Amino acid sequence: GESVGLHLPTLSVQEGDNSIINCAYSNSASDYFIWYKQESGKGPQFIIDIRSNMDKRQGQRVTVLLNKTVKHLSLQIAATQPGDSAVYFCAEGLAVNDYKLSFGAGTTVTVRA
Amino acid sequence: GAGVSQSPRYKVAKRGQDVALRCDPISGHVSLFWYQQALGQGPEFLTYFQNEAQLDKSGLPSDRFFAERPEGSVSTLKIQRTQQEDSAVYLCASSPSGTQYFGPGTRLLVL
Repeated sequence: GESVGLHLPTLSVQEGDNSIINCAYSNSASDYFIWYKQESGKGPQFIIDIRSNMDKRQGQRVTVLLNKTVKHLSLQIAATQPGDSAVYFCAEGLAVNDYKLSFGAGTTVTVRA
Repeated sequence: GAGVSQSPRYKVAKRGQDVALRCDPISGHVSLFWYQQALGQGPEFLTYFQNEAQLDKSGLPSDRFFAERPEGSVSTLKIQRTQQEDSAVYLCASSPSGTQYFGPGTRLLVL
């Protein structure tokens, strides 16, 4: 399938700072985007999602921004905490109930105390 | 509540052996998915079930891979005659509709 997620593979952040994780997608037909967090030895954990008819969505300490013009997705984490250290994946689907998600390669976030 | 569970968590197999990986989805979730995750990569879709029906198996790498969900709940991913390139984490996810919830995965190492 289409490749998702041209990005910086690692990100080091000072505790308390804001983090921004970027993802580029290539399938202009994609309608649904999700961010997952994967800690070592665990499965991906849903963080937040957004549909293509929105450009911003906020959750608890997280914000997802979608720029369809340049096919770019970002995840902002406010006041980064040590527990935020993980690999973050963006994924795309053709619809909300699209079962065939395409994942990017992931960005490893390390939080410095 | 209980999440998706997978067993075993780790499996070491000799090349040529058959393995069976089990997934217990969240109760009541109609949809079930299997993904393969190579080291340092994102998950890649293998197959999808809606209840007991396997609606898409296009991601299965070869005919050595077989998945079933006979009663629409527990699913098993079977790999026959394992090869070294099968070494990966196998993730199962379930969904009521929309958001997919993942299990912890089974790490398979083929020697």
